[in-house]
Amino acid sequence: DAGVIQSPRHEVTEMGQEVTLRCKPISGHDYLFWYRQTMMRGLELLIYFNNNVPIDDSGMPEDRFSAKMPNASFSTLKIQPSEPRDSAVYFCASTPGAVGKNEQFFGPGTRLTVL
Amino acid sequence: QKEVEQNSGPLSVPEGAIASLNCTYSDRGSQSFFWYRQYSGKSPELIMFIYSNGDKEDGRFTAQLNKASQYVSLLIRDSQPSDSATYLCAVNEYGNQFYFGTGTSLTVIP
Repeated sequence: DAGVIQSPRHEVTEMGQEVTLRCKPISGHDYLFWYRQTMMRGLELLIYFNNNVPIDDSGMPEDRFSAKMPNASFSTLKIQPSEPRDSAVYFCASTPGAVGKNEQFFGPGTRLTVL
Repeated sequence: QKEVEQNSGPLSVPEGAIASLNCTYSDRGSQSFFWYRQYSGKSPELIMFIYSNGDKEDGRFTAQLNKASQYVSLLIRDSQPSDSATYLCAVNEYGNQFYFGTGTSLTVIP
């Protein structure tokens, strides 16, 4: 398997623009997680899905952020409108079962810069 | 607010020495504990996990858990320059909520 795939790897945009990050989990994994990593706050869980259904979005910072998982092999994280404080590395991760018993496999991340 | 605390470092050890990385967590309901390694510019990768009090060994790595003290540590024996990375402690409760510490930067000096 190719592992978790994320695109784009780098994104530079201007404040106010819409940003869409994409993720393809490992086939057969039924949990998908979106994280944001910054130097100040470390790795923060934004939202996770189980069998394509959002389970917990309490980490989504505000209404500008939204995430979807239309099928088992694709998820998006959208920021509209983007702001400079959204600049971070965004990771997608998947796991084959309950998190407490299984390793999370991380994608390579998307480095987002909002000017 | 659930918290996972780690010393940010940097921690420097000479090659061949033991590196000790520490993590404390605030929620007594936490059930499983993970150590991830993250090289600069890369994504986190799992080193090991532990559920029960005591020690768990895997090669040069030993995880230690003390639930009464809400403390988990990672020991790296015979440290190598390739171990230089940031080490993230992660804590899981019932269900699938997962909390990461901000990480400890380790440098192994040849």
